[in-house]
Amino acid sequence: DSGVTQTPKHLITATGQRVTLRCSPRSGDLSVYWYQQSLDQGLQFLIHYYNGEERAKGNILERFSAQQFPDLHSELNLSSLELGDSALYFCASSVGGSLYEQYFGPGTRLTVT
Amino acid sequence: AQSVAQPEDQVNVAEGNPLTVKCTYSVSGNPYLFWYVQYPNRGLQFLLKYITGDNLVKGSYGFEAEFNKSQTSFHLKKPSALVSDSALYFCAVRPYGGSQGNLIFGKGTKLSVKP
Repeated sequence: DSGVTQTPKHLITATGQRVTLRCSPRSGDLSVYWYQQSLDQGLQFLIHYYNGEERAKGNILERFSAQQFPDLHSELNLSSLELGDSALYFCASSVGGSLYEQYFGPGTRLTVT
Repeated sequence: AQSVAQPEDQVNVAEGNPLTVKCTYSVSGNPYLFWYVQYPNRGLQFLLKYITGDNLVKGSYGFEAEFNKSQTSFHLKKPSALVSDSALYFCAVRPYGGSQGNLIFGKGTKLSVKP
């Protein structure tokens, strides 16, 4: 158990809908990262927050947004969902920046029908 | 473009034999290199990293990796494979000076260890 929790584990929704994925980092970790894993794209970095502030953006679509709250948990919002958004979404946390090892949550499997 | 390549989609090894999972990278400047492992239906787990110093890095579960700057490689190795090592292995790089958090992952290599 990495200490990172993600909810929900599974999510099935229809095209055009909006969903929110939630992540609680390990106790003491200030950084939260979001990744998307799919068969065709592999593991793609989406966004990084450190202590409430956005630090880096990767291949994140404009339809997606995220935030990190004062208690350090984070939410990833996905809107106007398309079939191609179906994937496994991982949250990871670390003590500091990306030179520190990242601890991954179990992921949220999103299926868009 | 900065990238990481794992040239083998799958590596098959007999239990007890040495294993190597290959990784090469292309980045500007000095890289920071990582290996992660993913077991079925689980998130990734950190194995080891190279930041600076000794080119041979030792990590979890008996794994090690060697940083080779001239060949731009960071191959993962283990002297004696276990069936329980069967999993998906990812190499990742953070380019020196790159924005924090921006790890670039390879496509992954599936390691299969047969008894």
